Amino acid sequence: QLQLQESGPGLVKPSETLSLTCTVSGGSVSGSSYYWGWIRQPPGKGLEWIGTIYYSGSTYYNPSLKSRVTFSVDTSKNQFSLKLSSVTAADTAVYYCASAGPWYSSGWSFDYWGQGTLVTVSS
Amino acid sequence: EIVMTQSPATLSVSPGERATLSCRASQSVSSNLAWYQQKLGQAPRLLIYGASTRATGIPARFSGSGSGTEFTLTISSLQSEDFAVYYCQQYNNWPRGLTFGGGTKVEIK
Repeated sequence: QLQLQESGPGLVKPSETLSLTCTVSGGSVSGSSYYWGWIRQPPGKGLEWIGTIYYSGSTYYNPSLKSRVTFSVDTSKNQFSLKLSSVTAADTAVYYCASAGPWYSSGWSFDYWGQGTLVTVSS
Repeated sequence: EIVMTQSPATLSVSPGERATLSCRASQSVSSNLAWYQQKLGQAPRLLIYGASTRATGIPARFSGSGSGTEFTLTISSLQSEDFAVYYCQQYNNWPRGLTFGGGTKVEIK
């Protein structure tokens, strides 16, 4: 079964770029049956979908974040990544990576999640 | 954007009782709806997809129903491990425009 693990700095300065990586084990990021997603959760608040990426490089972003977000896939390392530019304190959150698919297994819901990583935006 | 509204925000239930959680979509999402459970300090866990299909390993006391704009998650007999926050999420326009509800906290009465 899939396992996902987020990694990256836990502290980012305002106006800088937040960069996180999700390492996948038990499956391949280049598998055509899967989509890969990022979801975040500010402290004490609900879940917010950031976006989804397919192994081909096709990306789908939350319109509210689209101007600042970039996703990528590194098939050689079996990883996918998130970059969020011009961060502010409002971007402080636990960031989760997750997988969806195949559709016949769990619809297009996110059935495997990383443990999450807290990123704090502060000077 | 499809807005998902969950009610109530908090539900106080005694162990062994039934819990009924609601989720409403601002427009039809057909049956493209999932429910997740999140315990404190943990990642969300998929419970239900396709509005009514239990995910692998999910106990039968969890059931989902509804279609279109109105959905319900029912926990037939609450166990101690079920006290958590529950989120609905629509994926009607997959892989675009995914949205979550604000969550319902199920607490011990």
